[in-house]
Amino acid sequence: EAQVTQNPRYLITVTGKKLTVTCSQNMNHEYMSWYRQDPGLGLRQIYYSMNVEVTDKGDVPEGYKVSRKEKRNFPLILESPSPNQTSLYFCASSLSHSGSSYEQYFGPGTRLTVT
Amino acid sequence: AQSVTQLDSQVPVFEEAPVELRCNYSSSVSVYLFWYVQYPNQGLQLLLKYLSGSTLVKGINGFEAEFNKSQTSFHLRKPSVHISDTAEYFCASTYNFNKFYFGSGTKLNVKP
Repeated sequence: EAQVTQNPRYLITVTGKKLTVTCSQNMNHEYMSWYRQDPGLGLRQIYYSMNVEVTDKGDVPEGYKVSRKEKRNFPLILESPSPNQTSLYFCASSLSHSGSSYEQYFGPGTRLTVT
Repeated sequence: AQSVTQLDSQVPVFEEAPVELRCNYSSSVSVYLFWYVQYPNQGLQLLLKYLSGSTLVKGINGFEAEFNKSQTSFHLRKPSVHISDTAEYFCASTYNFNKFYFGSGTKLNVKP
């Protein structure tokens, strides 16, 4: 089954304790992206990757890091989490071209709470 | 800079009534537009997209949207809603398929 998986689905942590949220896709997509969803703000893009070893900042990259060493994986790293990073995080992937079949596929989400 | 505005945070509607969810975008270049649906505790699912061609776009579950360049709008419509359409709906735009901009969402509450 074609899918985007995220782990963990739920995480409660403390301020300053480094964490990684993993994202994996099995569709051989070139493009992957991370978003955070906050009430009343919709989804905001954190980072995206156009292919292996190619990443760029979205609208809200502060406090986050990413890496793309393999095509299928795109982990999100919070080196020193703070309470304002408490949010619902989504990973997404798509083919890189914009043909008529273009679609961005979303993972199930990771709910992060930083105390 | 691009932005997407969803004018209604919540829309209550009775079952079998028509509904319109409004979306306006701002961009200095040509954009591509999307509507997504999010059911409770789930990820986002694509409803429909406008890439080019006909300005009336049909999607899944009986939804359609019309791209209006002069009004910079991309409103979502359904002629008759069902209880199962209760969800949050997001409008999104991109100009290069790398950076995406989402609206703040509209919660559709379908009442029996």
